[in-house]
Amino acid sequence: NSKVIQTPRYLVKGQGQKAKMRCIPEKGHPVVFWYQQNKNNEFKFLINFQNQEVLQQIDMTEKRFSAECPSNSPCSLEIQSSEAGDSALYLCASSPTGGWAETLYFGSGTRLTVL
Amino acid sequence: GDSVTQTKGPVTLSEGTSLTVNCSYETKQYPTLFWYVQYPGEGPQLLFKVPKANEKGSNRGFEATYDKGTTSFHLQKASVQESDSAVYYCVLGMSNYNVLYFGSGTKLTVEP
Repeated sequence: NSKVIQTPRYLVKGQGQKAKMRCIPEKGHPVVFWYQQNKNNEFKFLINFQNQEVLQQIDMTEKRFSAECPSNSPCSLEIQSSEAGDSALYLCASSPTGGWAETLYFGSGTRLTVL
Repeated sequence: GDSVTQTKGPVTLSEGTSLTVNCSYETKQYPTLFWYVQYPGEGPQLLFKVPKANEKGSNRGFEATYDKGTTSFHLQKASVQESDSAVYYCVLGMSNYNVLYFGSGTKLTVEP
């Protein structure tokens, strides 16, 4: 069973509303990733952190998405103004080193529905 | 650009029959290759990391061999079980991006 904890499991928002989801990475894993999985099972990398610092993020994340991983608190991903196209499963994953050859450990995801 | 292509699903098999999921990739990098599996209602989990070229990786009865010449690494299982019903992803890790690239997934349904 995954030790990456994501909350809430389901999130329903209206267009233009904020949507916030949280992730507690596996203990001892300093690197955290956020991925978006759409209904066609396509994965899109959004952002990753090492400790509290952003390592990489895509343009989409820079504009409407914000994310943080404060020390001693859950990581979070927030969509400032939800759009219908944001409806997807948002997956958080953690890794001991974040190296490109490392295994990622995923949570069960937050399923966002934007009405 | 970089890409990974795998068998389009869905695939429906009877218990005890064999499975092959084909996966090929294009990249100028030297990737690390993985198979991940996603069960309903869960996030993906590692099935196994495919070892170096021409070596076979395996876990839970699944096997994959990485053919560097054809840039392919196919997933196989000789005898599937109902509990193998899931979506299987071939995945690339590449050093210059430090993120994983997922294939489109192959949904497998195994009927009793």
